[in-house]
Amino acid sequence: DVKVTQSSRYLVKRTGEKVFLECVQDMDHENMFWYRQDPGLGLRLIYFSYDVKMKEKGDIPEGYSVSREKKERFSLILESASTNQTSMYLCASSSRGGLETQYFGPGTRLLVL
Amino acid sequence: QKEVEQNSGPLSVPEGAIASLNCTYSDRGSQSFFWYRQYSGKSPELIMSIYSNGDKEDGRFTAQLNKASQYVSLLIRDSQPSDSATYLCAVGGGYQKVTFGIGTKLQVIP
Repeated sequence: DVKVTQSSRYLVKRTGEKVFLECVQDMDHENMFWYRQDPGLGLRLIYFSYDVKMKEKGDIPEGYSVSREKKERFSLILESASTNQTSMYLCASSSRGGLETQYFGPGTRLLVL
Repeated sequence: QKEVEQNSGPLSVPEGAIASLNCTYSDRGSQSFFWYRQYSGKSPELIMSIYSNGDKEDGRFTAQLNKASQYVSLLIRDSQPSDSATYLCAVGGGYQKVTFGIGTKLQVIP
């Protein structure tokens, strides 16, 4: 069975803190994605990776960075958290190619105070 | 910027009726089209994918694609209260990523 897991379901951080969100998939997928989801704005792509150590900016990369050292793991880093980064963060993975289904993790609800 | 447009709703239908959800997209080169369902507080899950013009049926769900009109729809027959959720349309261009619409909230009234 397909499985994408995220390190935390809920997270509360202070402004200026460095935040790590981790995603692990067990499907041997090449592609991994980080989205944020906000009411009225839908799912917006932050970064994606199509191979180990490869990354591409999505639509809203500012204030974020990513790391993919192993195929199964994709981390999202908020270098200095700000209140406007309060959001639901969703990780997804898919096999090679944009023609394929994306499988989502359960999400991390991040609150930055 | 590639765009995927959906009416945010809510779309309210009585139990047993057909729910019709619509989506338009801007990129004529799009090749893959998906419908995801998202329950409140949960992550999206795939319902249907469609890649060629016409209809594709899976149980109570039918996806319809018209590339000439840049239009994709999802029909839900015999709607049930358990179908109440937000339905996300997603469009892919053959590259690794897809673009999501904001989703249409469906309410099925018992």
